[in-house]
Amino acid sequence: DAGVIQSPRHEVTEMGQEVTLRCKPISGHNSLFWYRQTMMRGLELLIYFNNNVPIDDSGMPEDRFSAKMPNASFSTLKIQPSEPRDSAVYFCASSLRALAGGLGPDTQYFGPGTRLTVL
Amino acid sequence: AQKITQTQPGMFVQEKEAVTLDCTYDTSDQSYGLFWYKQPSSGEMIFLIYQGSYDEQNATEGRYSLNFQKARKSANLVISASQLGDSAMYFCAMRNLRGTDKLIFGTGTRLQVFP
Repeated sequence: DAGVIQSPRHEVTEMGQEVTLRCKPISGHNSLFWYRQTMMRGLELLIYFNNNVPIDDSGMPEDRFSAKMPNASFSTLKIQPSEPRDSAVYFCASSLRALAGGLGPDTQYFGPGTRLTVL
Repeated sequence: AQKITQTQPGMFVQEKEAVTLDCTYDTSDQSYGLFWYKQPSSGEMIFLIYQGSYDEQNATEGRYSLNFQKARKSANLVISASQLGDSAMYFCAMRNLRGTDKLIFGTGTRLQVFP
């Protein structure tokens, strides 16, 4: 079975350029998460979607960041304009969220990540 | 607020020995889940094991087991019979099972297995 797919795996860009990261969740999963990993801040949640609807975007650093999920099998994270401090590994994860109010693990499975370098 | 603490930045273990990676957590919620993930040098995050706050027995998955002590708010990962391929970063994480799907991660422990 295919896991979470992310593209590109590596991105090097110059400050001020627009960057678009892409994610295809595991088929059948209904929740999608974008995380960022840096040495200074560790792993932090940026935004997550349930059934394609953004639920919590409180982790999005600023207006330069935006995320969309136009359908159940695709999501994008866009940074415009990019800055050197955006350099990080960006992970997409997906899960199958059980019934509302359920107490299951709803385990999140991660993609391989996109390593972004902004010069 | 929820918080995960991993106090061991690095651990060494000899091949075939067992090792325990510590994780303590803080939450006021009654229903929560604890997760361990492995991040090898290649960078991907691999789910290892899960423990629910209401689970009465400690979780086990192959060579991985979780030493869950609810009163002490600890969820230590035990790896038995360590292998060279176990060398990686290990992250403990927690999620409130009611409401948000947000995972809170610890800072991780780097495990190195030597021959």
